[in-house]
Amino acid sequence: DVKVTQSSRYLVKRTGEKVFLECVQDMDHENMFWYRQDPGLGLRLIYFSYDVKMKEKGDIPEGYSVSREKKERFSLILESASTNQTSMYLCASSFGQGANLNSPLHFGNGTRLTVT
Amino acid sequence: GQQVMQIPQYQHVQEGEDFTTYCNSSTTLSNIQWYKQRPGGHPVFLIQLVKSGEVKKQKRLTFQFGEAKKNSSLHITATQTTDVGTYFCAGPGNNRKLIWGLGTSLAVNP
Repeated sequence: DVKVTQSSRYLVKRTGEKVFLECVQDMDHENMFWYRQDPGLGLRLIYFSYDVKMKEKGDIPEGYSVSREKKERFSLILESASTNQTSMYLCASSFGQGANLNSPLHFGNGTRLTVT
Repeated sequence: GQQVMQIPQYQHVQEGEDFTTYCNSSTTLSNIQWYKQRPGGHPVFLIQLVKSGEVKKQKRLTFQFGEAKKNSSLHITATQTTDVGTYFCAGPGNNRKLIWGLGTSLAVNP
């Protein structure tokens, strides 16, 4: 079974802090994704990566950056956390070359981030 | 832009009743995927439909992909409390991103 592991289940940070959310997958998937999920807004794509050192902006990249130095690891960075970034963050991975969208996504358990 | 609409947004049923959620895309989709998210959990992939008019079954769940590949449905026969959760559909957009519906939240009264 594919395993996508997010480093923290719950996280509380202060406004202005730099926040790192880590995600590791063990199935050698090419594609990795970061979503945030908020009530009534569904799943919104922040960034995705279809190869090591490659990244593309999703629908709401402002205030976030990402890093993919190794194939199995995709990090989401909040450069200066703000209260409107309080949310559930979900990492996902999928098989396929070139951001193939024909393969299902495998999600991690999520990180619930609270910024105070 | 491309959109995927899901209806209804919420549905309450008595255990044993049937349930259907509908997914409508503004554009033709090459495939459609369905996911289930239990309360407090993360989305879990259920199935992918690729062919026009395709129908697939998983026990009490029946998935359909429309002839025009712009709509899809998920039907649950005789719901159980284990069916509680939010059901999402998603399809590939033109810009290498999956487009997600907002989901249908199902509550089942025992």
